[in-house]
Amino acid sequence: NAGVTQTPKFRILKIGQSMTLQCTQDMNHNYMYWYRQDPGMGLKLIYYSVGAGITDKGEVPNGYNVSRSTTEDFPLRLELAAPSQTSVYFCASTPSGQNGYGYTFGSGTRLTVV
Amino acid sequence: GENVEQHPSTLSVQEGDSAVIKCTYSDSASNYFPWYKQELGKRPQLIIDIRSNVGEKKDQRIAVTLNKTAKHFSLHITETQPEDSAVYFCAAITNQAGTALIFGKGTTLSVSS
Repeated sequence: NAGVTQTPKFRILKIGQSMTLQCTQDMNHNYMYWYRQDPGMGLKLIYYSVGAGITDKGEVPNGYNVSRSTTEDFPLRLELAAPSQTSVYFCASTPSGQNGYGYTFGSGTRLTVV
Repeated sequence: GENVEQHPSTLSVQEGDSAVIKCTYSDSASNYFPWYKQELGKRPQLIIDIRSNVGEKKDQRIAVTLNKTAKHFSLHITETQPEDSAVYFCAAITNQAGTALIFGKGTTLSVSS
């Protein structure tokens, strides 16, 4: 099992550009999450999904979009990149109904917007 | 929604001393409280967790205590070692967002030898 795989690991974007951060898990987890971590801060929930076709907003969803067409994939889309979106992005997954058990993080994507 | 406060933001101790990090949460329905350790440039790693029906849990040098009435929980590290230096995050589950974890802002622990 690869666990949770995120690509790319690093990316530099110019203001106004768009990009998609990829997240794939091979553990058949229904629940998936996107977090961002700003320097010296904790993780903030951007979006989450409890299954294919179901997504919802977290604490800081503005400027982002997600989709969940399959159980395995949960891409995060930035449409008009802004310097405030410079951050490290973590994807995570967990089996449904486990109430926190089995929370697995990807290795992160470090994004810089200039 | 759930809100998690964590203190202190930085903590410096001498090797062999104990370290205590405290967190409070707002949602009385939260029932799962993990602690994560994050080394520079790495993903968060679960080090210990506790459920709301347990008051204390210990794993070698690490322990977590939970006071449900006061809505606070603490991480205790005894006999600290330089390799314990990292950022530690507490978190609480929220059933309002697909059982997502809501994190505190983190504590940077520095252990000097």
